[in-house]
Amino acid sequence: QVHLVESGGGLVKPGGSLRLSCSASGFTFSDYYMSWVRQAPGKGLEWVSFISSSSSYTNYADSVRGRFTISRDNAENSLSLQMDSLKAEDTAVYYCASYGPTSYFDYWGQGILVTVSS
Amino acid sequence: QSALTQPRSVSGSPGQSITISCTGNSSDVGGYNYVSWYQQRPGKAPKLMIFDVIKRPSGVPDRFSGSKSGNTASLTISGLQADDESDYYCCSYAGSYTVFGGGTQLTVL
Repeated sequence: QVHLVESGGGLVKPGGSLRLSCSASGFTFSDYYMSWVRQAPGKGLEWVSFISSSSSYTNYADSVRGRFTISRDNAENSLSLQMDSLKAEDTAVYYCASYGPTSYFDYWGQGILVTVSS
Repeated sequence: QSALTQPRSVSGSPGQSITISCTGNSSDVGGYNYVSWYQQRPGKAPKLMIFDVIKRPSGVPDRFSGSKSGNTASLTISGLQADDESDYYCCSYAGSYTVFGGGTQLTVL
Protein backbone atom coordinates (compact mmCIF):
# COMPACT_ATOMS: atom_id res chain seq x y z
CA GLN A 1 0.00 0.00 0.00
CA VAL A 2 1.35 3.39 -1.03
CA HIS A 3 2.16 5.69 1.86
CA LEU A 4 3.41 9.28 1.64
CA VAL A 5 4.10 11.19 4.85
CA GLU A 6 5.08 14.85 4.91
CA SER A 7 7.01 16.52 7.72
CA GLY A 8 8.81 19.77 8.48
CA GLY A 9 5.94 22.23 8.40
CA GLY A 10 5.27 24.94 10.94
CA LEU A 11 5.31 28.68 11.58
CA VAL A 12 8.01 30.83 9.96
CA LYS A 13 8.49 34.58 9.63
CA PRO A 14 8.33 36.33 6.25
CA GLY A 15 11.71 36.10 4.57
CA GLY A 16 12.55 32.93 6.44
CA SER A 17 13.22 29.39 5.24
CA LEU A 18 11.70 25.98 5.80
CA ARG A 19 12.46 22.51 4.47
CA LEU A 20 9.65 20.03 3.88
CA SER A 21 10.26 16.31 3.61
CA CYS A 22 8.14 13.47 2.29
CA SER A 23 8.82 9.84 3.19
CA ALA A 24 7.56 7.28 0.68
CA SER A 25 6.79 3.58 1.03
CA GLY A 26 4.75 0.87 -0.65
CA PHE A 27 5.97 1.49 -4.20
CA THR A 28 9.20 1.71 -6.17
CA PHE A 29 9.94 5.35 -5.40
CA SER A 30 12.85 5.59 -7.84
CA ASP A 31 10.56 4.78 -10.78
CA TYR A 32 8.21 7.71 -10.18
CA TYR A 33 8.20 11.40 -10.89
CA MET A 34 7.18 13.26 -7.73
CA SER A 35 5.54 16.60 -7.08
CA TRP A 36 4.44 19.13 -4.49
CA VAL A 37 0.97 20.64 -4.57
CA ARG A 38 -0.29 23.27 -2.12
CA GLN A 39 -3.61 24.60 -0.95
CA ALA A 40 -3.98 27.95 0.77
CA PRO A 41 -6.61 28.08 3.55
CA GLY A 42 -10.07 27.97 2.00
CA LYS A 43 -8.63 28.06 -1.52
CA GLY A 44 -8.05 25.68 -4.41
CA LEU A 45 -5.16 23.43 -5.34
CA GLU A 46 -1.97 24.85 -6.85
CA TRP A 47 0.79 22.82 -8.44
CA VAL A 48 4.17 23.91 -7.00
CA SER A 49 6.93 21.75 -8.48
CA PHE A 50 7.85 18.36 -9.89
CA ILE A 51 11.03 16.32 -10.20
CA SER A 52 11.84 13.46 -12.55
CA SER A 53 12.62 9.97 -11.27
CA SER A 54 16.39 10.48 -11.63
CA SER A 55 16.37 14.15 -10.57
CA SER A 56 17.54 15.18 -14.02
CA TYR A 57 14.54 17.40 -14.67
CA THR A 58 12.69 19.78 -12.38
CA ASN A 59 10.15 22.51 -12.92
CA TYR A 60 8.40 25.10 -10.81
CA ALA A 61 5.31 27.26 -10.79
CA ASP A 62 6.08 30.90 -11.57
CA SER A 63 4.94 31.84 -8.05
CA VAL A 64 7.80 29.93 -6.41
CA ARG A 65 10.52 29.77 -9.09
CA GLY A 66 13.84 31.05 -7.73
CA ARG A 67 12.73 30.65 -4.12
CA PHE A 68 11.87 26.93 -3.81
CA THR A 69 14.07 23.94 -4.65
CA ILE A 70 12.80 20.40 -5.05
CA SER A 71 15.09 17.41 -4.57
CA ARG A 72 14.93 13.69 -3.88
CA ASP A 73 16.99 10.87 -2.44
CA ASN A 74 16.05 7.60 -4.08
CA ALA A 75 18.23 5.61 -1.69
CA GLU A 76 16.21 6.98 1.21
CA ASN A 77 12.82 7.03 -0.60
CA SER A 78 12.44 10.69 0.26
CA LEU A 79 11.37 13.91 -1.43
CA SER A 80 12.20 17.40 -0.19
CA LEU A 81 11.17 20.98 -0.81
CA GLN A 82 13.53 23.73 0.34
CA MET A 83 11.54 26.94 0.69
CA ASP A 84 13.47 30.22 0.98
CA SER A 85 12.42 33.88 1.04
CA LEU A 86 8.99 32.83 2.25
CA LYS A 87 6.05 35.18 1.83
CA ALA A 88 2.67 35.36 3.55
CA GLU A 89 1.07 34.07 0.35
CA ASP A 90 3.06 30.83 0.69
CA THR A 91 0.87 29.93 3.68
CA ALA A 92 -0.81 26.66 2.73
CA VAL A 93 -1.13 22.96 3.29
CA TYR A 94 1.61 21.33 1.21
CA TYR A 95 0.97 17.91 -0.26
CA CYS A 96 3.54 15.46 -1.55
CA ALA A 97 2.16 13.49 -4.51
CA SER A 98 3.35 11.00 -7.09
CA TYR A 99 3.18 12.44 -10.60
CA GLY A 100 2.01 10.18 -13.40
CA PRO A 101 3.43 10.20 -16.94
CA THR A 102 0.57 12.32 -18.28
CA SER A 103 0.61 14.89 -15.48
CA TYR A 104 -1.81 13.43 -13.01
CA PHE A 105 -1.33 13.02 -9.27
CA ASP A 106 -2.17 9.45 -8.34
CA TYR A 107 -1.05 9.13 -4.72
CA TRP A 108 -1.11 11.89 -2.10
CA GLY A 109 0.25 12.42 1.38
CA GLN A 110 -1.96 13.77 4.15
CA GLY A 111 -0.50 17.25 3.83
CA ILE A 112 1.52 19.51 6.13
CA LEU A 113 0.67 23.08 7.12
CA VAL A 114 3.14 25.90 6.50
CA THR A 115 2.26 29.27 8.03
CA VAL A 116 4.24 32.37 7.10
CA SER A 117 3.48 35.15 9.54
CA SER A 118 5.25 37.66 11.72
CA GLN B 1 -0.07 29.94 -15.61
CA SER B 2 -3.76 30.86 -15.33
CA ALA B 3 -6.14 28.58 -13.46
CA LEU B 4 -8.77 26.61 -15.38
CA THR B 5 -12.36 27.81 -14.98
CA GLN B 6 -14.88 25.71 -13.06
CA PRO B 7 -18.32 26.63 -11.69
CA ARG B 8 -18.12 27.51 -8.01
CA SER B 9 -20.92 25.12 -7.11
CA VAL B 10 -23.30 22.54 -8.53
CA SER B 11 -26.06 20.56 -6.88
CA GLY B 12 -28.26 17.58 -7.57
CA SER B 13 -30.62 15.16 -5.90
CA PRO B 14 -29.80 11.53 -5.13
CA GLY B 15 -30.08 9.38 -8.24
CA GLN B 16 -29.69 12.30 -10.64
CA SER B 17 -26.72 13.07 -12.88
CA ILE B 18 -24.61 16.20 -12.70
CA THR B 19 -21.84 17.54 -14.89
CA ILE B 20 -18.97 19.80 -13.84
CA SER B 21 -17.24 21.77 -16.58
CA CYS B 22 -13.60 22.81 -16.74
CA THR B 23 -12.63 25.42 -19.33
CA GLY B 24 -9.11 26.26 -20.41
CA ASN B 25 -7.53 27.13 -23.71
CA SER B 26 -5.59 25.60 -26.58
CA SER B 27 -2.38 25.60 -24.50
CA ASP B 28 -3.78 23.33 -21.81
CA VAL B 29 -7.14 21.51 -21.94
CA GLY B 30 -7.55 21.91 -25.69
CA GLY B 31 -3.97 21.04 -26.55
CA TYR B 32 -3.58 17.70 -24.78
CA ASN B 33 -5.68 14.72 -23.68
CA TYR B 34 -4.13 15.01 -20.24
CA VAL B 35 -7.00 16.19 -18.06
CA SER B 36 -7.49 14.70 -14.60
CA TRP B 37 -10.15 15.14 -11.92
CA TYR B 38 -9.86 15.00 -8.11
CA GLN B 39 -12.36 14.60 -5.31
CA GLN B 40 -11.52 16.33 -2.03
CA ARG B 41 -13.46 15.92 1.18
CA PRO B 42 -13.09 18.55 3.93
CA GLY B 43 -9.76 18.26 5.73
CA LYS B 44 -8.59 15.40 3.52
CA ALA B 45 -6.11 14.97 0.69
CA PRO B 46 -7.44 14.98 -2.87
CA LYS B 47 -8.22 11.65 -4.53
CA LEU B 48 -7.65 10.92 -8.22
CA MET B 49 -10.97 10.10 -9.92
CA ILE B 50 -10.24 10.47 -13.67
CA PHE B 51 -7.01 10.78 -15.68
CA ASP B 52 -6.20 11.14 -19.37
CA VAL B 53 -9.67 12.72 -19.83
CA ILE B 54 -11.64 9.46 -19.65
CA LYS B 55 -9.70 6.83 -17.66
CA ARG B 56 -10.72 5.70 -14.18
CA PRO B 57 -8.18 4.43 -11.64
CA SER B 58 -8.89 1.06 -10.10
CA GLY B 59 -11.56 1.35 -7.43
CA VAL B 60 -13.33 4.44 -8.77
CA PRO B 61 -16.99 3.64 -9.52
CA ASP B 62 -18.09 3.74 -13.15
CA ARG B 63 -20.68 6.36 -12.11
CA PHE B 64 -17.82 8.80 -12.61
CA SER B 65 -16.94 9.59 -16.21
CA GLY B 66 -14.91 12.19 -18.06
CA SER B 67 -15.06 13.78 -21.48
CA LYS B 68 -13.62 16.68 -23.44
CA SER B 69 -14.72 18.89 -26.30
CA GLY B 70 -12.37 21.57 -27.55
CA ASN B 71 -11.07 23.64 -24.64
CA THR B 72 -13.64 22.31 -22.15
CA ALA B 73 -13.42 19.10 -20.15
CA SER B 74 -16.29 17.68 -18.13
CA LEU B 75 -16.80 15.35 -15.19
CA THR B 76 -20.17 13.59 -15.04
CA ILE B 77 -21.44 11.79 -11.97
CA SER B 78 -24.47 9.62 -12.57
CA GLY B 79 -26.68 8.03 -9.95
CA LEU B 80 -25.71 10.74 -7.48
CA GLN B 81 -25.17 9.56 -3.91
CA ALA B 82 -24.94 11.50 -0.65
CA ASP B 83 -21.35 10.32 -0.32
CA ASP B 84 -20.42 12.17 -3.52
CA GLU B 85 -20.77 15.52 -1.76
CA SER B 86 -17.26 16.97 -1.98
CA ASP B 87 -15.12 19.52 -3.76
CA TYR B 88 -13.97 18.55 -7.25
CA TYR B 89 -10.94 19.90 -9.08
CA CYS B 90 -9.90 19.52 -12.68
CA CYS B 91 -6.27 19.60 -13.74
CA SER B 92 -4.49 19.77 -17.09
CA TYR B 93 -1.01 19.45 -18.52
CA ALA B 94 0.02 22.76 -20.09
CA GLY B 95 3.26 22.12 -21.90
CA SER B 96 5.84 22.33 -19.13
CA TYR B 97 3.67 22.73 -16.08
CA THR B 98 0.36 21.58 -14.64
CA VAL B 99 -2.61 23.80 -13.89
CA PHE B 100 -5.66 23.20 -11.68
CA GLY B 101 -9.15 24.57 -11.88
CA GLY B 102 -10.54 26.68 -9.05
CA GLY B 103 -12.68 23.84 -7.73
CA THR B 104 -16.41 23.07 -7.66
CA GLN B 105 -18.41 22.34 -4.53
CA LEU B 106 -20.94 19.58 -5.16
CA THR B 107 -23.99 19.56 -2.92
CA VAL B 108 -26.28 16.54 -2.85
CA LEU B 109 -29.72 17.85 -1.94
